[in-house]
Amino acid sequence: EAGVAQSPRYKIIEKRQSVAFWCNPISGHATLYWYQQILGQGPKLLIQFQNNGVVDDSQLPKDRFSAERLKGVDSTLKIQPAKLEDSAVYLCASSRGNRVAVDTQYFGPGTRLTVL
Amino acid sequence: QKEVEQNSGPLSVPEGAIASLNCTYSDRGSQSFFWYRQYSGKSPELIMFIYSNGDKEDGRFTAQLNKASQYVSLLIRDSQPSDSATYLCAVTYAGNKLTFGGGTRVLVKP
Repeated sequence: EAGVAQSPRYKIIEKRQSVAFWCNPISGHATLYWYQQILGQGPKLLIQFQNNGVVDDSQLPKDRFSAERLKGVDSTLKIQPAKLEDSAVYLCASSRGNRVAVDTQYFGPGTRLTVL
Repeated sequence: QKEVEQNSGPLSVPEGAIASLNCTYSDRGSQSFFWYRQYSGKSPELIMFIYSNGDKEDGRFTAQLNKASQYVSLLIRDSQPSDSATYLCAVTYAGNKLTFGGGTRVLVKP
């Protein structure tokens, strides 16, 4: 079974530029998550999708960040305009999303963003 | 604000010894508890999860949960240099949202 795919793996941009990240979840996984991990910290949830609907985006800075999952499969996360403090690793994760006791999340390799 | 606290370390452990990692959480409504391992420059990798009070063993790893004390721990037996990594404790609450601690860095010395 293929894992969560993300691209690009690395991105360097200047502040005020825009950037987009792509994620393809594990086949059959209904729930998709985007996390931000700043160096030395644990991942922080930005947004959670169930199929193509948003479940939680309470920690997404909506003035500059946007995300979509139009067909309920792959997803894009966009930052426009980027700030220096957006430098981080952006992790995508997916889970089955069924009503099970434990719905385990599996992570992709991440995209390391550097904002200069 | 739901919080998960971990000692940042580093926790230095001789090869072959037991590494003991601790995690506390603030939300009594938390439902499931996960331990992830993260090597430098890599993404988190699931080690194991626990959701009932008591111990759960998986190979060299044992997770322990005490909901009354809001405490979860991970024991690594027979530590190997390949176990050197950052260990992330994560807790879920409603809607399968994961809240992560800051991680504990473990160094296993040959």
